[in-house]
Amino acid sequence: QQQVKQSPQSLIVQKGGISIINCAYENTAFDYFPWYQQFPGKGPALLIAIRPDVSEKKEGRFTISFNKSAKQFSLHIMDSQPGDSATYFCAAKPHQGAQKLVFGQGTRLTINP
Amino acid sequence: DTAVSQTPKYLVTQMGNDKSIKCEQNLGHDTMYWYKQDSKKFLKIMFSYNNKELIINETVPNRFSPKSPDKAHLNLHINSLELGDSAVYFCASSQDWVNQPQHFGDGTRLSIL
Repeated sequence: QQQVKQSPQSLIVQKGGISIINCAYENTAFDYFPWYQQFPGKGPALLIAIRPDVSEKKEGRFTISFNKSAKQFSLHIMDSQPGDSATYFCAAKPHQGAQKLVFGQGTRLTINP
Repeated sequence: DTAVSQTPKYLVTQMGNDKSIKCEQNLGHDTMYWYKQDSKKFLKIMFSYNNKELIINETVPNRFSPKSPDKAHLNLHINSLELGDSAVYFCASSQDWVNQPQHFGDGTRLSIL
């Protein structure tokens, strides 16, 4: 069964620090790796996404690092702010087969002021 | 100008009742989804429709019946509600399966008494 394993389950970072969330996937061809951000009482919203032909993508303070050989990808939040406190989900889209995103288990991020 | 809207936002009802959740998207997308998010925040796909046609039915009990009257609407009807149905249900849409990302509604919190 296709899986994406996300860690840590929860993370506390001081304001101004770097938040790092990791995801690893198993032996399947995925062609799109999005990260979603979810605030309490809201639906997940796309934060940043990457395709496997690049190793890094940066948008403002958010960076995805992608290691195809290790089947791992991670989200880095630089200069973390209290407003970044949310639950973050990584996901992966299969290139073929079942037409459903495979989500990680989520990481609850808390940024202390 | 809400992109994906769900109603109601909260639904509190007794075990055994039948209820419906409505979803509408104004993005012109072809594909719509229903997800269930449990108390541990795990996101689980339930159904996926493409142009009113069922694509994914993820081993959901047949008490759950999605209906897509047109490609902008995907409603979820639940018969004989059980305690285990308590969760937050999210509707989402994407341009199509190939062209992500998915845009989520703000969820319907279903509580079974």
